[in-house]
Amino acid sequence: QVQLVESGGGVVQPGRSLRLSCAASGFTFNNYAMHWVRQAPGKGLEWVAVTSYDGDNKYYADSVKGRFTISRDNSKNTLYLEMNSLRSEDTAVYYCASHDRHFDWLLPFHHWGQGTLVTVSS
Amino acid sequence: DIVMTQSPDSLTVSLGERATINCKSSQSLLFNSNNMNYLAWYQKRPGQPPKLLIYWASTRESGVPDRFSGSGSGTDFTLTISSLQAEDVAVYYCQQYYSIPSLAFGGGTKVEI
Repeated sequence: QVQLVESGGGVVQPGRSLRLSCAASGFTFNNYAMHWVRQAPGKGLEWVAVTSYDGDNKYYADSVKGRFTISRDNSKNTLYLEMNSLRSEDTAVYYCASHDRHFDWLLPFHHWGQGTLVTVSS
Repeated sequence: DIVMTQSPDSLTVSLGERATINCKSSQSLLFNSNNMNYLAWYQKRPGQPPKLLIYWASTRESGVPDRFSGSGSGTDFTLTISSLQAEDVAVYYCQQYYSIPSLAFGGGTKVEI
């Protein structure tokens, strides 16, 4: 079955960088768009970024545009989120998520990882 | 960008009673070419990832109990839990997937007993 496993979270100082990974298995990774979604402590869900199945198209929430970069390595079945210039408000659990239909991205999130916690603090 | 507004923020319901959560979109989520509403509902329990309950506004995800139902079209949607069970205590979110880049979630509704 579909499995998404995030890693790379931790404590980081404001202004520094961190890279998250999401290892995918149980489906043909290179056929599916992939997303990052986050939830800050005590807050709601916030969509962060999406990459198309081939990595050619990417979109970001305004709150992270210019600081975060989503990418994927289809040969490794892995999704990444490079986070630069981190701020305290980026503190959150970060989830990777995917769909159940290939190629499209205007779809609900059928599959979620367990999440990885990023804490931005001095 | 599309803005999703949920109401109420929180809801206290007795076991076996009905819970109703509303979600309003700032623009229509009805795609005319396929007559589908690009609206999903998720359940979020502490320490767990979100779980998809309903998509296309009213299609129940496989394995989701039939006490959960979704309705509405255009800009106004509703999630109903017909007979609340203890395991339904959670925060519920609506989400539009009509438009990228802003795949917005509603603010969430906390359901308690």
